[in-house]
Amino acid sequence: NAGVTQTPKFRVLKTGQSMTLLCAQDMNHEYMYWYRQDPGMGLRLIHYSVGEGTTAKGEVPDGYNVSRLKKQNFLLGLESAAPSQTSVYFCAGGASGRLDTQYFGPGTRLTVL
Amino acid sequence: KQEVTQIPAALSVPEGENLVLNCSFTDSAIYNLQWFRQDPGKGLTSLLLIQSSQREQTSGRLNASLDKSSGRSTLYIAASQPGDSATYLCAVKGAQKLVFGQGTRLTINP
Repeated sequence: NAGVTQTPKFRVLKTGQSMTLLCAQDMNHEYMYWYRQDPGMGLRLIHYSVGEGTTAKGEVPDGYNVSRLKKQNFLLGLESAAPSQTSVYFCAGGASGRLDTQYFGPGTRLTVL
Repeated sequence: KQEVTQIPAALSVPEGENLVLNCSFTDSAIYNLQWFRQDPGKGLTSLLLIQSSQREQTSGRLNASLDKSSGRSTLYIAASQPGDSATYLCAVKGAQKLVFGQGTRLTINP
């Protein structure tokens, strides 16, 4: 039982390049989330999904796209990377109930030059 | 729009002291409030979850309180240890999402 995993762990991109971050979970979470964490800003929600085939915008969605074709996977795409997207990206899984928390992956550190 | 604030941003105390971390939020319509721990270069680990109808939760040396009417929560750490050094984040949960504070970076000095 691996929990929530993220691929890759580190990546360096040049401005304008594209990439996809993969989040996988084996905990049967209905909900999945992508956050970015920047110094002094806490975690900010980029996009989330409430089930297979669904996606929704979070607080900072511009410049990112997501897909949830399978329940266990949630992909975050950057079509044309910008230096402002340099950040640590976290994926999480969870549920919507009042007693539910979220389970986080280890993060992906992305640098855009 | 929900906003969550944590004070102080950083705290350094000697080993063995009891300490309190603070969290405030602007909208009292929450499902629950959660405290997470984050070690450097790692993801977040849930420490305590307080339902909106509860006043406090305890786990070992940790005690979290919730005053929903005033929009405040505290995390009390008793008899602090160097292994408690980490960043502590508070988050409030609405219907579908968590909103996080900026965190308090805690250092326990041996």
